[in-house]
Amino acid sequence: QQQVKQSPQSLIVQKGGISIINCAYENTAFDYFPWYQQFPGKGPALLIAIRPDVSEKKEGRFTISFNKSAKQFSLHIMDSQPGDSATYFCAASIPNNNDMRFGAGTRLTVKP
Amino acid sequence: GAVVSQHPSRVICKSGTSVKIECRSLDFQATTMFWYRQFPKQSLMLMATSNEGSKATYEQGVEKDKFLINHASLTLSTLTVTSAHPEDSSFYICSADHRDSSYNEQFFGPGTRLTVL
Repeated sequence: QQQVKQSPQSLIVQKGGISIINCAYENTAFDYFPWYQQFPGKGPALLIAIRPDVSEKKEGRFTISFNKSAKQFSLHIMDSQPGDSATYFCAASIPNNNDMRFGAGTRLTVKP
Repeated sequence: GAVVSQHPSRVICKSGTSVKIECRSLDFQATTMFWYRQFPKQSLMLMATSNEGSKATYEQGVEKDKFLINHASLTLSTLTVTSAHPEDSSFYICSADHRDSSYNEQFFGPGTRLTVL
């Protein structure tokens, strides 16, 4: 059962554009929503994360928007760069539970 | 901070042999360590969760006798793939839950590419 649904599966953006990746979840017990960036042959790296008590979190060019009522959250990459080309995974976890559920991943390609 | 290492980074072995992969949290103590498997162009599939000094908890469909997990300390967990076969070829990634983190932050290792001939 896929508890976190991620879209799109792949995304191509021009350099300088905005990349937007969306995730939706079912379990309202989730309370931690991280985004991971993974380059080929490497492990995922934590990019940015949000708790449901805020609707937006921004770190540099990366912003998470969170809609608790819709059970959706998204990653926005502003001024996308070729170096941002990677696979991005959203995830969600439950408090006091080590179980983290991952989305299927989005392969982002930023064209120069 | 929060660095997780894995060793080896890649390994090639013959069918029928066993392979051990180490996962270490280098600058923090991990309450829990996780082992994932990732096939090409797919998401991470959780295999098992381990806590220091206790038996690992395996996800449904993961053979515990084939994928042996030993969590020897708060900074070290090992995954042993026993009697490996070509279908076990995959990218294995560990992660560690920071003991002092109030959130369920997981920090991932760089992964181990296993190829079984």
